[in-house]
Amino acid sequence: AQRVTQPEKLLSVFKGAPVELKCNYSYSGSPELFWYVQYSRQRLQLLLRHISRESIKGFTADLNKGETSFHLKKPFAQEEDSAMYYCALSGGETSGSRLTFGEGTQLTVNP
Amino acid sequence: KAGVTQTPRYLIKTRGQQVTLSCSPISGHRSVSWYQQTPGQGLQFLFEYFSETQRNKGNFPGRFSGRQFSNSRSEMNVSTLELGDSALYLCASSFVDRISTDTQYFGPGTRLTVL
Repeated sequence: AQRVTQPEKLLSVFKGAPVELKCNYSYSGSPELFWYVQYSRQRLQLLLRHISRESIKGFTADLNKGETSFHLKKPFAQEEDSAMYYCALSGGETSGSRLTFGEGTQLTVNP
Repeated sequence: KAGVTQTPRYLIKTRGQQVTLSCSPISGHRSVSWYQQTPGQGLQFLFEYFSETQRNKGNFPGRFSGRQFSNSRSEMNVSTLELGDSALYLCASSFVDRISTDTQYFGPGTRLTVL
């Protein structure tokens, strides 16, 4: 069975501080990992995915298969980063488009 | 391109009734997935349709069903509504390139309240 765990429901940091949102997963095959974000009163949208190895809005995430983690990091948080963040996993081609989501972390960046 | 649209945006029903929700994917997208979002269970996968066929199904009772039309638009139906079905129902569409899991684009959701 596939499972995604985000241990922190709430995370609060000050502007300019580093931020790390944790994500651990359980999957027996080769998963694809994603971070989705939902800003206030907006729809859920993709932030980044591990296969792209991109940095979006200053955020990066590295897939660590040994620790089965996909933590999201940003060196200097901005107030506009305040949002709900969801880590999600897909089993790749065998799972179609099915995503398994974590419970989400509400990030608040204080001025 | 226009984004994923869902109708209606809000619904109020009573127990025992049935409901149909509609989703129009982004033009050119052939896969439509449905998710249920609740405070207690978070985001849970309901099912996925691709080329009018159900390709994947989550762990929901048979009261939850769906279908996809030839234009890729999708509907989901919930029969014999229960109080616990109150949730935000999200639809997501993707292109599907067979190489990897495509980015899913989410709609605004339909807020269903069961009284």
